[in-house]
Amino acid sequence: DTGVSQNPRHKITKRGQNVTFRCDPISEHNRLYWYRQTLGQGPEFLTYFQNEAQLEKSRLLSDRFSAERPKGSFSTLEIQRTEQGDSAMYLCASSFKAYEQYFGPGTRLTVT
Amino acid sequence: DQQVKQNSPSLSVQEGRISILNCDYTNSMFDYFLWYKKYPAEGPTFLISISSIKDKNEDGRFTVFLNKSAKHLSLHIVPSQPGDSAVYFCAASSDDKIIFGKGTRLHILP
Repeated sequence: DTGVSQNPRHKITKRGQNVTFRCDPISEHNRLYWYRQTLGQGPEFLTYFQNEAQLEKSRLLSDRFSAERPKGSFSTLEIQRTEQGDSAMYLCASSFKAYEQYFGPGTRLTVT
Repeated sequence: DQQVKQNSPSLSVQEGRISILNCDYTNSMFDYFLWYKKYPAEGPTFLISISSIKDKNEDGRFTVFLNKSAKHLSLHIVPSQPGDSAVYFCAASSDDKIIFGKGTRLHILP
């Protein structure tokens, strides 16, 4: 399977705990994006990397959120001190061209 | 404020007929417009795109039309098939980012 993969697919955590998600992009793609999607909304941009450099972060990305892409391959998104409002689907996408992104299946986070 | 708007939350179309999904945008600086399709429990799937310098792009049963003066684009699916039932997201690209609309749920009726 050469598509974008994300792990875990589902995560249930208690408020205040830290969580980390992983994204493995399509191997030839140098760009990697993180989005968040809530019910009834489209995906909302969080941050993106070109190779290992994090080029932009949305104002949606509070200080509790951090993303890394060591060596320009896989990426991790960590949420510290989770809040109930963090419950959402977290989507990763990769691409050559900014406008043609290929999405993974997402990680559904539920904060109780 | 919403830069990409899909004003119809849902649409039902008879199998075999044409499905037309509409989208409006506000930012003149968008350089590409895209449509994504999403099934439940999956990530969005890229469907078709159009450059801001074109007014039409066709790929099999899918055609996207862009009207820059009206800041409006539409996706035509013809003929509609049962497997087309999904949520369709209109999106626009600018400065290496994609901004998505809220989506339209398309139901193809037998």
